[in-house]
Formats: sequence, structure tokens, C-alpha cells
Amino acid sequence: DARVTQTPRHKVTEMGQEVTMRCQPILGHNTVFWYRQTMMQGLELLAYFRNRAPLDDSGMPKDRFSAEMPDATLATLKIQPSEPRDSAVYFCASGLQPGLDGYTFGSGTRLTVV
Amino acid sequence: QKEVEQNSGPLSVPEGAIASLNCTYSDRGSQSFFWYRQYSGKSPELIMFIYSNGDKEDGRFTAQLNKASQYVSLLIRDSQPSDSATYLCALISYNTDKLIFGTGTRLQVFP
Repeated sequence: DARVTQTPRHKVTEMGQEVTMRCQPILGHNTVFWYRQTMMQGLELLAYFRNRAPLDDSGMPKDRFSAEMPDATLATLKIQPSEPRDSAVYFCASGLQPGLDGYTFGSGTRLTVV
Repeated sequence: QKEVEQNSGPLSVPEGAIASLNCTYSDRGSQSFFWYRQYSGKSPELIMFIYSNGDKEDGRFTAQLNKASQYVSLLIRDSQPSDSATYLCALISYNTDKLIFGTGTRLQVFP
């Protein structure tokens, strides 16, 4: 059963530390989305890639967040330095353009910044 | 105006009833529409997608799309307590190619 794998599942870190979240999309999927979910804002689109190229990262705070896709099997989201307001669940989703069959979500990374 | 609007609920229905979940959107260039279900503490799970005006049925679920009114709905027949979750409406815009979500409607099905 194909799935999107995210690591770590949980991360607790101190303010100011660097955080790296990883996502392995489903093999063959060419589109990857990064979302942040909070109770107040719901699912916010942070960035997305197609065929490993970044298409839009306008949803990310540029000064501290960065997203990359070094190869087709790995997408990363980094926060440096982290702040308490970054505490949220971060989801990765992958699919095949144009997404006519929808996108599959990973289990998410629950980030707590103290 | 938000791109995708949903009533946050909760929508409470008795077991066996029809639950009707609604979603409106602002971008007329939107081409594909999705309903995801999210249980508390879990990730969103795709349950339906629809592209064409009209109804699409899959088991107890029916998605309805009206592009002229910019309206998407999800009907759940014979609602079960296990259907209690948050239902997220999402779309892909032809113009931006982004997958955008509404904030979700929480459904409670009581025995």
C-alpha cells in the first residue's frame, strides 16, 4: 500500500534551534505540497514542488523557512531559527499532476517549540 | 474573501440520517474539487473528488458540484458514529495549480 512517509512524527525543540522535517513522496508522484495545520488557521499551504522544481513558496515566512527537494524521493522543510509560534502539525502531500485523483497525505510532523 | 469557505460547525446529526456538508469557493478558474476526512490527531484522507457539474456517488457518499453557483457539497447517507470527523473541502485552481483547503466542518453523528 503506497504511502507518504514523514519523519520525525514528533519533535520538541527549544526556541532558536534548527528543525528539519523530511518527506518521502509516493514513488512516481511528481507534485509535493507542504502544509502547516493549526487550530486557528487550518491547513495553510507553505510551498509546493513539481518535478522537484519549486513552484510557489509564497506561504512561507522567507526569513526562517526553507523548502527543498534534493531528489525525487525526498522533500525537506527547514526552520531556522525556530520560534514558539511555529508550533503546529506539518503535513506533506504528494500526487501526480494534474491531481485528478487527489493528493495523499503523510502522517505529519507534530512540532513543539518551547 | 477566503478562497474556500466552509461552516466550521459542529454539524450534529442522528445516526442513520443524511449529513449535508457545504463549501463555496471564489476562484471561477477552479477545476478540481476534493473532499477529505480528518479524524482528530490524524492526517487528512481523500474520500471523494469531482470535476464536472452534477452529482457523483460512491457508496454512502455523494459529491455535488455547481460551478455556476461556485458551490460544492458532500452528502453522507445513513450516517454512522464512525463518520464523526472534520470534513475538509479542497480545490485545485486552473490558474494557480495550488491545492487549497477550507478550514473544515466538524461533523458529529450521535447514536
